[in-house]
Amino acid sequence: DTAVSQTPKYLVTQMGNDKSIKCEQNLGHDTMYWYKQDSKKFLKIMFSYNNKELIINETVPNRFSPKSPDKAHLNLHINSLELGDSAVYFCASSPPLGQVDTDTQYFGPGTRLTVL
Amino acid sequence: AQSVAQPEDQVNVAEGNPLTVKCTYSVSGNPYLFWYVQYPNRGLQFLLKYITGDNLVKGSYGFEAEFNKSQTSFHLKKPSALVSDSALYFCAVRPRLSGGYNKLIFGAGTRLAVHP
Repeated sequence: DTAVSQTPKYLVTQMGNDKSIKCEQNLGHDTMYWYKQDSKKFLKIMFSYNNKELIINETVPNRFSPKSPDKAHLNLHINSLELGDSAVYFCASSPPLGQVDTDTQYFGPGTRLTVL
Repeated sequence: AQSVAQPEDQVNVAEGNPLTVKCTYSVSGNPYLFWYVQYPNRGLQFLLKYITGDNLVKGSYGFEAEFNKSQTSFHLKKPSALVSDSALYFCAVRPRLSGGYNKLIFGAGTRLAVHP
């Protein structure tokens, strides 16, 4: 069973379009994250949600809007896509505070977004 | 500014030889330290972490890492490299004073190439 899953795996779209990436985890975790990995493989956190509440927002443009309908899902919607948005986006989750491995984040397989 | 440095873009090792992937950090206090591995076209996988206690931490696939507080380093090691260890390795830190949020700061990654 896939612990952290993302759809789609690949996404190719034109500049100016709006797109969404979905993430689901079946680990019972409370906290979920979105990371962006650029073409140089540099990985940086974008957002984090804990029990559907936004707790980390790392100066990401307003065109990016995360949505967490429940604690098992964290979706990423991107408006007016730009060339610079091309990257691999990773979703991750971590266990609730108080659990032994609460500090460990578990990553999804990634979504490769290409903006033409 | 808080940062993680992986000084080598690539490390080349012959199969069967020991390997070291270097990581140093600049974070106030005593952070939590992590190593993740990324295989081609895959998400990041957790290898090991240091929270407290013994400076030598053992993790998955025979990897270990040594925490050195005075040198602010957390180098990843393995006594005998395998070709299948070839991947991209990320060092990450979580500042303890992060407001309780599980915010990871990643290094730029080091590509490990193990040759037969």
